[in-house]
Amino acid sequence: NAGVTQTPKFQVLKTGQSMTLQCAQDMNHNSMYWYRQDPGMGLRLIYYSASEGTTDKGEVPNGYNVSRLNKREFSLRLESAAPSQTSVYFCASSEGASGYYNEQFFGPGTRLTVL
Amino acid sequence: LAKTTQPISMDSYEGQEVNITCSHNNIATNDYITWYQQFPSQGPRFIIQGYKTKVTNEVASLFIPADRKSSTLSLPRVSLSDTAVYYCLVARTNTGNQFYFGTGTSLTVIP
Repeated sequence: NAGVTQTPKFQVLKTGQSMTLQCAQDMNHNSMYWYRQDPGMGLRLIYYSASEGTTDKGEVPNGYNVSRLNKREFSLRLESAAPSQTSVYFCASSEGASGYYNEQFFGPGTRLTVL
Repeated sequence: LAKTTQPISMDSYEGQEVNITCSHNNIATNDYITWYQQFPSQGPRFIIQGYKTKVTNEVASLFIPADRKSSTLSLPRVSLSDTAVYYCLVARTNTGNQFYFGTGTSLTVIP
């Protein structure tokens, strides 16, 4: 099992460019998440998908869109990148069992720089 | 949404027991307490989860007092490889508005 995979690992964009970060999990999990991590800020949730076909905003959704393509894949799109979006992006997944919190499994991250 | 407060950083010598305390005064009845570990340039990794009293696994112990307003992660006999950031999370479900990762505690183990 590869767990949670993310592509690309590194990316440099110019202001105004667009790109999509890809995430896939092979654990048959229902829920998937996108976080950003800035120095000294911990992890902040951008969007999440509780189950296939649903998505919801997290703490910092502005400037991002997501697509839950199927149960395995959850992509994050930056339509017009800004320097403030320079960050490390993590994707995660969890079983998503209802009624209690269950552990999230994280990918290796994508380091994005916007010039 | 129960937010958490942890020390920003801690230092410890190799071989010592390390206790990291997390404060969560607004914890709700259905909330679980979960700890994650994050090494540089990696995603966080689940360590331990508990609801009350004491939970122990092969990596750590988690102590939760009766009022559940705080919890303590205990790492026995730390080694240099335990240098990482440790996050305390309080959550009742996996829905995005029901959990919160704080800024974590940066633990440095000194030889």
